[in-house]
Amino acid sequence: GAVVSQHPSWVICKSGTSVKIECRSLDFQATTMFWYRQFPKQSLMLMATSNEGSKATYEQGVEKDKFLINHASLTLSTLTVTSAHPEDSSFYICSAGSGEMWETQYFGPGTRLLVL
Amino acid sequence: QKEVEQNSGPLSVPEGAIASLNCTYSDRGSQSFFWYRQYSGKSPELIMSIYSNGDKEDGRFTAQLNKASQYVSLLIRDSQPSDSATYLCAVNMDSNAGGTSYGKLTFGQGTILTVHP
Repeated sequence: GAVVSQHPSWVICKSGTSVKIECRSLDFQATTMFWYRQFPKQSLMLMATSNEGSKATYEQGVEKDKFLINHASLTLSTLTVTSAHPEDSSFYICSAGSGEMWETQYFGPGTRLLVL
Repeated sequence: QKEVEQNSGPLSVPEGAIASLNCTYSDRGSQSFFWYRQYSGKSPELIMSIYSNGDKEDGRFTAQLNKASQYVSLLIRDSQPSDSATYLCAVNMDSNAGGTSYGKLTFGQGTILTVHP
């Protein structure tokens, strides 16, 4: 149980384009999903907390107009990187928790984004 | 600022030895503590969660929590080369019932563990 998937696993795009990343909880309903970014040799940095049916809560320093988050259902959250630039190249990881096991986060496999 | 601190290592142990990973946290009110393992190029996977003072064992892994000292550790017995990874300590510092920030984790910078044959 507690499987989280992400799509795509790899994406290469040109500077200025937008990229959408999907995060799905496969065998449980995720009340809350979290989006992280990880640069090489650094730890995970939380970008935003996404609650189903409400607006995401962004961490300080994260541009909400650049990183659009939609949590339309209890099994799907999306992160859209708008007008991507090379400095947005990173490893983006989502995690999900449920109302029953809300204290435990299960991570998706991650999406590696390279902006040329 | 709420922080989680880990020794960055790298920690190198021989195969079969006990690896000891340590973590301290700044928020005395924290209630939930987690250890994740992250292989290079992969996302973190949950190893252990611990909520009460004392030890919690799961196979070769033992988590230890001391809330008075604001300290949590992970022991890996009979270490194997496949245990070589970065180990992340994570603390839920926002365990407010009904709050929108429930479940939010603060991660340490990770300890790199190498188990050599």
